[in-house]
Amino acid sequence: SQTIHQWPATLVQPVGSPLSLECTVEGTSNPNLYWYRQAAGRGLQLLFYSVGIGQISSEVPQNLSASRPQDRQFILSSKKLLLSDSGFYLCAWTPGDIGETQYFGPGTRLLVL
Amino acid sequence: QKEVEQDPGPLSVPEGAIVSLNCTYSNSAFQYFMWYRQYSRKGPELLMYTYSSGNKEDGRFTAQVDKSSKYISLFIRDSQPSDSATYLCAMKPGNDYKLSFGAGTTVTVRA
Repeated sequence: SQTIHQWPATLVQPVGSPLSLECTVEGTSNPNLYWYRQAAGRGLQLLFYSVGIGQISSEVPQNLSASRPQDRQFILSSKKLLLSDSGFYLCAWTPGDIGETQYFGPGTRLLVL
Repeated sequence: QKEVEQDPGPLSVPEGAIVSLNCTYSNSAFQYFMWYRQYSRKGPELLMYTYSSGNKEDGRFTAQVDKSSKYISLFIRDSQPSDSATYLCAMKPGNDYKLSFGAGTTVTVRA
């Protein structure tokens, strides 16, 4: 069966510090991968998605970036965090091609102070 | 106008009641419809998935899709305190990678 992992689970970072969040999927190959942000009391905002290694599509211009160095690994990064980057970051995956639905990881809670 | 509208609630019901949740949408190209359950501080968990119109039942959960009205529903029968969570609707066209989400409805089932 497929499993999706995210770490760290919780992170507290000062403004201006760098960020690296990691997501890995087990038990499948060539998944589509997604990064979302969920602000408190708000819906899910798609940040990036990837259909293959090195292929990244950005949905929202911001100080975040994403990379996919391996087939089942998706990384969310920032060089300098802003207060507004605080939120709950979720990674999701679908089987290859279009995929019918998405399966979410446990999330990383980021607090920028 | 948002592409997917969902009443955020909150909704509070006594244990054993039927919970009724719904979403409306504007994009007639949507073909895949999903309901996710999200417990506090956890990732969303897929509950129900429906393709096109019709009903789907899974235990205490029933999902309905009415494409002519652009309206989807989720019913939870015999609700339990463990059903207390935020419920998110989501949908997508057949040829797109991306899901469109509702804002989520927070449900509390009182023991």
